[in-house]
Amino acid sequence: QQQVKQSPQSLIVQKGGISIINCAYENTAFDYFPWYQQFPGKGPALLIAIRPDVSEKKEGRFTISFNKSAKQFSLHIMDSQPGDSATYFCAASKIRDDKIIFGKGTRLHILP
Amino acid sequence: NAGVMQNPRHLVRRRGQEARLRCSPMKGHSHVYWYRQLPEEGLKFMVYLQKENIIDESGMPKERFSAEFPKEGPSILRIQQVVRGDSAAYFCASSWFSYTEAFFGQGTRLTVV
Repeated sequence: QQQVKQSPQSLIVQKGGISIINCAYENTAFDYFPWYQQFPGKGPALLIAIRPDVSEKKEGRFTISFNKSAKQFSLHIMDSQPGDSATYFCAASKIRDDKIIFGKGTRLHILP
Repeated sequence: NAGVMQNPRHLVRRRGQEARLRCSPMKGHSHVYWYRQLPEEGLKFMVYLQKENIIDESGMPKERFSAEFPKEGPSILRIQQVVRGDSAAYFCASSWFSYTEAFFGQGTRLTVV
């Protein structure tokens, strides 16, 4: 059973556009929701994270929106740039349980 | 402050050989996690260790795989008698204490021929 479902699998966005990646989770005990960015040949790097006590968190061009009742959260990349082209993973974990459960990833390509 | 260091970056093994993957966590981090990534797949949790203890190995295959994090030295992921299906990228992550940001290494890409 996949605990964190991510969509779309791949996404193509024009430069300057908004990239939106969605995730849904099953386990209501999850209370930490990070997003990771991975470039080819590199390890994942933490991009931004949110706890369920807030509905939105913004860091620069990156925003996480969180809907606790729907058990969904999404990543918005504003003014998308070619350098944002990478694979993005949403993830979830529980307090006192450090195992991070990852979604399958979204391969984002920003057209120049 | 060096990041999480994994070596080797690339490892080629023949079927039946042993593979040893090493991970040195960030300075001051005592929590280590190993993940496996198959092509076009997400990261699959394998094992979570603290110094000298395995905390959660629910993602580890029951046979051929083992992990340790000794008091001194790096964490080691060991795969005995490798098979083609073990070919993947193996990532290590570390964190300072529980429920905090985990930093990933660059990974070890294992190819079994």
